[in-house]
Amino acid sequence: DAGVIQSPRHEVTEMGQEVTLRCKPISGHNSLFWYRQTMMRGLELLIYFNNNVPIDDSGMPEDRFSAKMPNASFSTLKIQPSEPRDSAVYFCASSLMAKNIQYFGAGTRLSVL
Amino acid sequence: AQKITQTQPGMFVQEKEAVTLDCTYDTSDPSYGLFWYKQPSSGEMIFLIYQGSYDQQNATEGRYSLNFQKARKSANLVISASQLGDSAMYFCAMREGPLAGNQFYFGTGTSLTVIP
Repeated sequence: DAGVIQSPRHEVTEMGQEVTLRCKPISGHNSLFWYRQTMMRGLELLIYFNNNVPIDDSGMPEDRFSAKMPNASFSTLKIQPSEPRDSAVYFCASSLMAKNIQYFGAGTRLSVL
Repeated sequence: AQKITQTQPGMFVQEKEAVTLDCTYDTSDPSYGLFWYKQPSSGEMIFLIYQGSYDQQNATEGRYSLNFQKARKSANLVISASQLGDSAMYFCAMREGPLAGNQFYFGTGTSLTVIP
């Protein structure tokens, strides 16, 4: 299997621009997670989906962040408008609910100037 | 209280020696899972080992073993015969069961450096 695929790997944008991060989970996995990692705050869970349905979005920092999962093989995390403090590495992970082992993508390194 | 506590910000180990990375957890849910992940300098998060709360045996995966002490709520990672490629950040994580909403928590990590 190809594993969890994230794109882009790197994103540099200017403050105020819209940013869309993409994730393709492992085929057959039915849970998908979005994380943010910074030096200051470590790894934070932003939102997760079970069977394409958002279950817990309490980690989403504010209304500028939104996530969708239109089907079992694709999810997006959107930031609009972006701010410099959004600069971080964003990870997507997927799992089979029963086993709960999360497999991570390579991450997207976002820099907002 | 912290759900996952890793008290060692940094550790050093001589190549070929064994090293133990500490992790304690806090949950009142009887059903939970414990995980260790490795994050090398390249940035990816690599799953290493899993221990379920009802598993009777300590989990092992190659050179990795999880020293699970349920009464003490500890889940230490033991790496035997350290290699230079083991130098990385190591994160302990816990997934609580349905009674606690299936929440997932990561520790702050331990940076391991293997010395040749």
